[in-house]
Amino acid sequence: GAGVSQSPSNKVTEKGKDVELRCDPISGHTALYWYRQSLGQGLEFLIYFQGNSAPDKSGLPSDRFSAERTGGSVSTLTIQRTQQEDSAVYLCASSPDVSGRGLEQPQHFGDGTRLSIL
Amino acid sequence: DAKTTQPTSMDCAEGRAANLPCNHSTISGNEYVYWYRQIHSQGPQYIIHGLKNNETNEMASLIITEDRKSSTLILPHATLRDTAVYYCIVRVLTPSTLTFGKGTMLLVSP
Repeated sequence: GAGVSQSPSNKVTEKGKDVELRCDPISGHTALYWYRQSLGQGLEFLIYFQGNSAPDKSGLPSDRFSAERTGGSVSTLTIQRTQQEDSAVYLCASSPDVSGRGLEQPQHFGDGTRLSIL
Repeated sequence: DAKTTQPTSMDCAEGRAANLPCNHSTISGNEYVYWYRQIHSQGPQYIIHGLKNNETNEMASLIITEDRKSSTLILPHATLRDTAVYYCIVRVLTPSTLTFGKGTMLLVSP
């Protein structure tokens, strides 16, 4: 498809397990973003990539969260030793560029991964 | 980023124009106004954005007041598929500034 693709769409796991979420951005988009949306809450920025580099990791909630991007395309968000407060919808977005005028261009979102920690 | 204020909910009849207001009285000169919407269980969808001038695209029109302290998103002929939560965001252009608040729940009825 032409849009941002995320997998899995739903993930249920036990507290303490590790989870890996995947994002396939729109082809050719060099900028990729991860967000978290908790029930009834707004959108929380986590991290962004320009190519394979993540210049700012300050939005990650704790050191249990990490993200990587390879080949300037697919990105994975990993949560280690999951806690119940990690339950949320994790959204990925991409845009053509994250520098200069590229920042004005809209971000295109996937439909997210709904993560439930039991 | 400047704080925005939106009504919690609005109703609109199908076929009518939907006018969604947003107050951003503390907006700075380098902050843009963006609108996104989110239909239930889907990711946010970009609608339109602007800095000072009014903007129009195939989805909507954005009217920004001259003092830039408020704006209105206009859906000219609302359809049932426009039922969604609409988010007004005021942001400087950095990668980490696209954050949403509670938005306006627009319900379009037959």
